[in-house]
Amino acid sequence: AQKVTQAQTEISVVEKEDVTLDCVYETRDTTYYLFWYKQPPSGELVFLIRRNSFDEQNEISGRYSWNFQKSTSSFNFTITASQVVDSAVYFCALRKETGKLIFGQGTTLQVKP
Amino acid sequence: DTEVTQTPKHLVMGMTNKKSLKCEQHMGHRAMYWYKQKAKKPPELMFVYSYEKLSINESVPSRFSPECPNSSLLNLHLHALQPEDSALYLCASSQESGPYYGYTFGSGTRLTVV
Repeated sequence: AQKVTQAQTEISVVEKEDVTLDCVYETRDTTYYLFWYKQPPSGELVFLIRRNSFDEQNEISGRYSWNFQKSTSSFNFTITASQVVDSAVYFCALRKETGKLIFGQGTTLQVKP
Repeated sequence: DTEVTQTPKHLVMGMTNKKSLKCEQHMGHRAMYWYKQKAKKPPELMFVYSYEKLSINESVPSRFSPECPNSSLLNLHLHALQPEDSALYLCASSQESGPYYGYTFGSGTRLTVV
């Protein structure tokens, strides 16, 4: 079975705090791809990152960083020095061989000024 | 052009109406998708088109009818919908349908069935 779990339903932080969004996945495939998307109130899903199963190197993009650990089947996302504009729903997703994207339930992040 | 354009942005329709949602991309992508998203839920796949052919139908009721007239255009025809079909309908495209390729999503059509 393929499954993505985002245990944190809602997170609220104060601006400039660091915040980590957890993602745990299940798959029997040896090759798979993991994604993070951001969905602001406007509705559009914005692509943040793709990671394939053979590349466990962590990645940093500005204030965003991702920690991929195959040993624990986790692909966590950290925002450093959060800003009000980071407020959104964040989805972790797993892509199957068929191309179907399996989403986690999403984490709503609220960043207060 | 790196966008997926969806029209209309908002749609209110009665249960006896027939309407269509439109999705367009000019990135040369050969796979296109329809997703349905209810409030506070993740998107759920409805249909996948690959090279203009329907490759996946996730057991969607026949009141939803997809159409891919050409490689740039994807329509979703709606007929006799129910109030529970009210949702955000998202279109997406990718270079190919394989797992390596990331999606580009449109901003969606917010559908309300009255």
